[in-house]
Amino acid sequence: GAVVSQHPSWVICKSGTSVKIECRSLDFQATTMFWYRQFPKQSLMLMATSNEGSKATYEQGVEKDKFLINHASLTLSTLTVTSAHPEDSSFYICSARDSGGARQGTDTQYFGPGTRLTVL
Amino acid sequence: RKEVEQDPGPFNVPEGATVAFNCTYSNSASQSFFWYRQDCRKEPKLLMSVYSSGNEDGRFTAQLNRASQYISLLIRDSKLSDSATYLCVVEYGQNFVFGPGTRLSVLP
Repeated sequence: GAVVSQHPSWVICKSGTSVKIECRSLDFQATTMFWYRQFPKQSLMLMATSNEGSKATYEQGVEKDKFLINHASLTLSTLTVTSAHPEDSSFYICSARDSGGARQGTDTQYFGPGTRLTVL
Repeated sequence: RKEVEQDPGPFNVPEGATVAFNCTYSNSASQSFFWYRQDCRKEPKLLMSVYSSGNEDGRFTAQLNRASQYISLLIRDSKLSDSATYLCVVEYGQNFVFGPGTRLSVLP
């Protein structure tokens, strides 16, 4: 299947610092990428939909000023957790939408390996 | 009613058993359907898309029933490595909506 990478895979930071996570589609172009958060033993929670060249669409309850999303190119979206606090510690997963139809039919979603964030 | 519902399980089955999961969805305009599996502390991985005619991939069979708005996943001859959480995903326009997942444990 298609490959989506995330960087970093894990990060530990102090409370109050900002953390930037990158999500890249390596072998296809993704006009739409998604950012999820998953707490232990819980379901994936969609945070926002990132559209290339336009503003992200945030889900209800997700602070857009705290979770800054930039989708500057067809292969890269970034999520910046600003002024991170311990309650932001979670597993952040991005996914990219492959609309090319080359694999598994059209409009399939492929996930990055995730970034485990721990805020001390 | 939630948009996508699944029995959270856990389903504990012996190796070699056949196990089936159902997933119901609320929006009749849904266009595409998928099953993903997620291992503990890992990202979800696409298992298979679900087509109207049903589809089979080895030991895995997926079915779609649009009239009753549910999809199913059947796993035959289950292996220890099948232990995971199985996520039902339904596409509505721009969005993919995930079910809460069904946890499967295959026991030796």
